Amino acid sequence: DVKVTQSSRYLVKRTGEKVFLECVQDMDHENMFWYRQDPGLGLRLIYFSYDVKMKEKGDIPEGYSVSREKKERFSLILESASTNQTSMYLCASSLSGKLTDTQYFGPGTRLTVL
Amino acid sequence: DAKTTQPPSMDCAEGRAANLPCNHSTISGNEYVYWYRQIHSQGPQYIIHGLKNNETNEMASLIITEDRKSSTLILPHATLRDTAVYYCIVAYTGGFKTIFGAGTRLFVKA
Repeated sequence: DVKVTQSSRYLVKRTGEKVFLECVQDMDHENMFWYRQDPGLGLRLIYFSYDVKMKEKGDIPEGYSVSREKKERFSLILESASTNQTSMYLCASSLSGKLTDTQYFGPGTRLTVL
Repeated sequence: DAKTTQPPSMDCAEGRAANLPCNHSTISGNEYVYWYRQIHSQGPQYIIHGLKNNETNEMASLIITEDRKSSTLILPHATLRDTAVYYCIVAYTGGFKTIFGAGTRLFVKA
């Protein structure tokens, strides 16, 4: 059974803190994605990675960075958390990255920045 | 990628066809129309896609107008489990970037 796991379901951090969100997939997928989801705005792509150590900016990369040192793990980093980064963060993976490929999503991490 | 416009919400009676419209008036010639849906607390699920011709699969049908400026996703016999947010996306088939937008929240009522 395919599985994408995220390190935390709920996270509360303070403004200015460095935040790490971890995502692990066990499907040997090449591609991994980080999205954030906000009411009325839908899902927005932050960063994606199509190979180990490779990354590409999505639509809203500002304030975020990512790391992919191993194929199965994709980390999202908030260098200095701000209140406007309070959101639901979803990680996904897919085999080839084409839009026709199913993206398998994790359960999400609801981050609150105070 | 071209932008899409969808109504924020729609209702449908169980067992009836659900017709979800999408406007994409700035679509370019080699961009496809994709539909995904997101059931509450789950990640988005791919439904169907097309370029010019109408498409049908086990989940839904996709009708694209001749000028490609709009499309309609049809769920032929909606069930309660089809209650979800439906996203219409236009993108190149090989593109990684997926702009989901706000989508249409479909409520299927008994």
